[in-house]
Amino acid sequence: GENVEQHPSTLSVQEGDSAVIKCTYSDSASNYFPWYKQELGKGPQLIIDIRSNVGEKKDQRIAVTLNKTAKHFSLHITETQPEDSAVYFCAARHFGNEKLTFGTGTRLTIIP
Amino acid sequence: NAGVTQTPKFQVLKTGQSMTLQCAQDMNHEYMSWYRQDPGMGLRLIHYSVGAGITDQGEVPNGYNVSRSTTEDFPLRLLSAAPSQTSVYFCASSYFGGLGPYNEQFFGPGTRLTVL
Repeated sequence: GENVEQHPSTLSVQEGDSAVIKCTYSDSASNYFPWYKQELGKGPQLIIDIRSNVGEKKDQRIAVTLNKTAKHFSLHITETQPEDSAVYFCAARHFGNEKLTFGTGTRLTIIP
Repeated sequence: NAGVTQTPKFQVLKTGQSMTLQCAQDMNHEYMSWYRQDPGMGLRLIHYSVGAGITDQGEVPNGYNVSRSTTEDFPLRLLSAAPSQTSVYFCASSYFGGLGPYNEQFFGPGTRLTVL
């Protein structure tokens, strides 16, 4: 089955700086890669996703990149703000299979 | 729409007790699933369903039962609780199949379960 590794497990950055979280996956058939943000006491919420036919996708301060050859994908947050502090999860899945395999999460702390 | 709702928010059980975690969604989603979240282990799939009357096991199904009698509800049953089942449980739902493979999963707010 699919295995998703996520690094780092914790990340602290100064407000205004950039943050990068990296994930690798094992199943070459995976073709959909969402990122979820989980705030304290809440369920995860989708913030951005990327499909295997795209190398990069941006949404304001958030971007995701995908390297299918290396089976890597990354989340980039620029101009970080205090409200970006949360736990972030990457995930992977392939066509026809609704099951998501999640990474172990990254706790991001923005230092004012 | 209320989205995905879960009850209760918190629960404390003694070893050997049984209980049902409730999950409901009002988005007419075919796919529903249960995850458990443990520190350092991310979200692990327990059971899932692709429609009423259809359920299947996920990554960590032992000790849990599910049923899907309606599209809206997907309860998770613990028949004999064990301390290893102390965790935060999340229910999620999404569209399935006909709308394509890239369907956002919506998560409920979670149930924090402690087994003593």
